[in-house]
Amino acid sequence: NAGVTQTPKFQVLKTGQSMTLQCAQDMNHNSMYWYRQDPGMGLRLIYYSASEGTTDKGEVPNGYNVSRLNKREFSLRLESAAPSQTSVYFCASIGGSPGLAGLYPYTQYFGPGTRLTVL
Amino acid sequence: DAKTTQPNSMESNEEEPVHLPCNHSTISGTDYIHWYRQLPSQGPEYVIHGLTSNVNNRMASLAIAEDRKSSTLILHRATLRDAAVYYCILRDEVNNAGNMLTFGGGTRLMVKP
Repeated sequence: NAGVTQTPKFQVLKTGQSMTLQCAQDMNHNSMYWYRQDPGMGLRLIYYSASEGTTDKGEVPNGYNVSRLNKREFSLRLESAAPSQTSVYFCASIGGSPGLAGLYPYTQYFGPGTRLTVL
Repeated sequence: DAKTTQPNSMESNEEEPVHLPCNHSTISGTDYIHWYRQLPSQGPEYVIHGLTSNVNNRMASLAIAEDRKSSTLILHRATLRDAAVYYCILRDEVNNAGNMLTFGGGTRLMVKP
């Protein structure tokens, strides 16, 4: 059970180049997420997929596209990279457990991150 | 989701208890209190969560005020490995279709040998 895996671990791009960040989870989770974390800051949500076949924008979606390829995989694409997209990118998925009074606090599991530099 | 307020940083000595505070005065009845931490160069990891009652697990304890407007994460004996950024996050488990987490700045915990 590998949890959440991400590839690549590091990437350097030139302005205008494109690339796809890959994420996979083997926990049979329905929901998956892409966050970015700039130096010294908290994480900000880019896109999420609440279930296979659906995707929704988060707080900072501009400049990104996503694909929920199947239940396991959720990819993030930069079509034309910009220096402002230099960041560490984290993928996450959610698993849950029953809570009190029918509420379900879902625990989020994170991948190790992809460190992206755009020159 | 309601906002949380945490100190930017705290220091502790190794093997001493650490109390990390979090204020959330606008918490609603359906907000769960979640704590995550992020070790250097790693993704965040779940620590603990609670609704109204105090909670204990193998990593930490969570003490929740009676009015739920504040909470405290307690590490019983800090180790060097506990040096991390700790995030206190509220999440509405009823009206949050995406089950997403909203991260603030967190508290950077430094542990001295």
